[in-house]
Amino acid sequence: RKEVEQDPGPFNVPEGATVAFNCTYSNSASQSFFWYRQDCRKEPKLLMSVYSSGNEDGRFTAQLNRASQYISLLIRDSKLSDSATYLCVVNKMDSSYKLIFGSGTRLLVRP
Amino acid sequence: ETGVTQTPRHLVMGMTNKKSLKCEQHLGHNAMYWYKQSAKKPLELMFVYNFKEQTENNSVPSRFSPECPNSSHLFLHLHTLQPEDSALYLCASSQRGIDSPLHFGNGTRLTVT
Repeated sequence: RKEVEQDPGPFNVPEGATVAFNCTYSNSASQSFFWYRQDCRKEPKLLMSVYSSGNEDGRFTAQLNRASQYISLLIRDSKLSDSATYLCVVNKMDSSYKLIFGSGTRLLVRP
Repeated sequence: ETGVTQTPRHLVMGMTNKKSLKCEQHLGHNAMYWYKQSAKKPLELMFVYNFKEQTENNSVPSRFSPECPNSSHLFLHLHTLQPEDSALYLCASSQRGIDSPLHFGNGTRLTVT
């Protein structure tokens, strides 16, 4: 089983739609979770951290389900500019601090 | 200048060349990282430095040699690379801490001919 697993997509949605991505992780001891966004041929950028109680930042909502070992990202009222690859990131609990990246989910928002 | 800067942005090198990638962070972070991103693959962690000390070498071939002279600078020395080493090489930094996100530089796109 991969350490961090995501549906590669692409998710093709119209402007204004609500879209959700899930990400599963294998290490039950993981404690830090993030969503990053990566535009084509650019570096990843932090979108938001994911907290145990769930958190919201504008149109974006992130949730953590420890029992089922997955995190989710919900995007409401999609904009054309939301088109990107969304990377799920989980820390690996070992002797050094390592963040493990998923392969990413591609989102295409069409007019 | 702020954030994490990498040079060069693009690099084409032959298999017998020696070149170096440079990374500098202006965020006051104490951990720095090298990641490799190949097409259609997740980011692969290569090296981790905490307070200038290498704490992680993720089974990287010896043709990649990192150097961290201080907490703000990180180099990746390249020699006798293979065509399959062509990829986007990303430098990142973070505060040392379990909930610290990474801040990436804009990467060096490397092509080995």
